Order: sequence, then structure tokens, then C-alpha cells
Amino acid sequence: KAGVTQTPRYLIKTRGQQVTLSCSPISGHRSVSWYQQTPGQGLQFLFEYFSETQRNKGNFPGRFSGRQFSNSRSEMNVSTLELGDSALYLCASSLQGIQETQYFGPGTRLLVL
Amino acid sequence: SQQGEEDPQALSIQEGENATMNCSYKTSINNLQWYRQNSGRGLVHLILIRSNEREKHSGRLRVTLDTSKKSSSLLITASRAADTASYFCATGEQGYSTLTFGKGTMLLVSP
Repeated sequence: KAGVTQTPRYLIKTRGQQVTLSCSPISGHRSVSWYQQTPGQGLQFLFEYFSETQRNKGNFPGRFSGRQFSNSRSEMNVSTLELGDSALYLCASSLQGIQETQYFGPGTRLLVL
Repeated sequence: SQQGEEDPQALSIQEGENATMNCSYKTSINNLQWYRQNSGRGLVHLILIRSNEREKHSGRLRVTLDTSKKSSSLLITASRAADTASYFCATGEQGYSTLTFGKGTMLLVSP
């Protein structure tokens, strides 16, 4: 089976812009989670989607949003970008839920100037 | 907030030596997982150990879990240069549908 894919791999944006990141999970996986990784804060949970519904949400402002499509592919959107949003954004999928083995994609590295 | 805390933050050893990393957590858990991350890439799952298990092995990896002390350890035996990476523990808390990662241990294995 193909692994988790994320697009784009690298992105440069300026403050105030918005960005959409995409994640395609492993075939058959219904749970997709998103994480933000920074040197200072480490890996922080953004949200989890399961069967097109947001099941869990981390402690991030409303500028961070996501969705999941019927084919389990997921997107996350960050509006009104801030410098502090520069990070590696990781997507992970699993068969049933977030506490199972997570299969991570390679990440999207976002730089906000 | 961070649930798992890895110790040490960084570890430098020679090839062939064993590497031990520890993870402490604060609440009751359903399971604990260990992941590896090579420089700036995605995480790779290593082992999942459930709260009713005490020890688990996978190849050169050995994980122990002590729920009374709320701690886990990851032992990598006969380390190789290719083991150089950051290692994270992640806890699945009881009563919550969350998976919380620690800040990781950076392991450097020198040839």
C-alpha cells in the first residue's frame, strides 16, 4: 500500500496570507490527524477527522481549520498567517483512531515571512 | 500540553553500544507508543505497548512500561549509525481520544 502523502512539501508565504495543506491517508484508513511541529513547542496536536467529522481538536486558534472528504483525504487551512505559524505540519492516518498506531506523512514545511 | 517527557534530551554513543531513553507521563493511559523521526521528516512508528503489558520487543528494540511509576523506557541494543534520529514517546490518555507527544530524545550514534 502507498504511504501517507502530503502536498506541497515546502511552502513560503507572507504574513496575512492563507494556506491550504493536503493529506492523502493510507487506503482504508478513516482517521486522519494533523500535528504542528516546531523546535520550541515540539509536536502539538491540531485536530483529528474520522469519516468526514472532526472528532478531536487541539488548543489552536480558529485560524486553523480542516476538513475531510468522503475518500478520507484531508485538508487543513490556516488563515491570516503569522510568523509563528512557521513549522513542519505533519499528517498521520490510522484505521480507526488516534490512539492506534499512527502512520505519518513526510510533512509540509511552511515558512511565513 | 506535553504529557510525556523524555529523558535525556540528547544522547551520544558509539556504534555497537546500547541506548536507553526514558519517558515519564502524568495521567492514566491506555497505551504508550514510541516513534522515530529522522531529521525534519515524518515520524515512523516503532512500538505500541498497552497499559496491561510490561515489556515488548521488536528486533533490537525493547520497551518497558511501569504504570505504577508512570514511566517507560526504550532500549536500542547494538546501535548503528542509522539509528541516529529523534525518538518520541506518545501517550494515549484514558478517557480522552488524544495522543500526546513528548519533546523527544535526540540520539547520535557515531561510527
